[in-house]
Amino acid sequence: DAKTTQPPSMDCAEGRAANLPCNHSTISGNEYVYWYRQIHSQGPQYIIHGLKNNETNEMASLIITEDRKSSTLILPHATLRDTAVYYCIVRSYNTDKLIFGTGTRLQVFP
Amino acid sequence: GAGVSQSPSNKVTEKGKDVELRCDPISGHTALYWYRQSLGQGLEFLIYFQGNSAPDKSGLPSDRFSAERTGGSVSTLTIQRTQQEDSAVYLCASSDFTSGGKDTQYFGPGTRLTVL
Repeated sequence: DAKTTQPPSMDCAEGRAANLPCNHSTISGNEYVYWYRQIHSQGPQYIIHGLKNNETNEMASLIITEDRKSSTLILPHATLRDTAVYYCIVRSYNTDKLIFGTGTRLQVFP
Repeated sequence: GAGVSQSPSNKVTEKGKDVELRCDPISGHTALYWYRQSLGQGLEFLIYFQGNSAPDKSGLPSDRFSAERTGGSVSTLTIQRTQQEDSAVYLCASSDFTSGGKDTQYFGPGTRLTVL
């Protein structure tokens, strides 16, 4: 699986949009981009995934660049409960396990 | 109970003892995964079960670690002769496996193992 690069930490004011970047410059054509988050002392929680089109669900939006070498997870209106470590994972169609990096620690402040 | 459950939530054991950790996946999910997370670290894949296929054991760190999945549902992760470096949170996930890399893994709350 392709490696991903994320900033180790970010801050965001409550109510503002949180934009979390991820670089995956060696991504292959059959690899998906997944985002999970882990709130302190809990198991990881699935957020969203995509292949090449932008995706949106009730939790977040995923913007993937045209060359697919990077993506951005957008939490449109961050709340204090969104404070967590966010993991960007690239995963091929024939790989079942998730390979987690160190993620981005997002701190949402009042 | 719609989610993945794990037991016990916490386990403290002495070095050299064997431990068993249990995972109850979401009903109907054919795929089951074990990961572990050491303090301050990311998640590390251990083992993966999918239906009746042979499990992918490529992540097991040593032969002291083993896992089984009975009846395609409940799974037990066994660590023999525990060592202090085995201390970690052990996480289980299950998914309704879909080919094409699109399945979503749902994680349990984990078992925190402390080896004294």
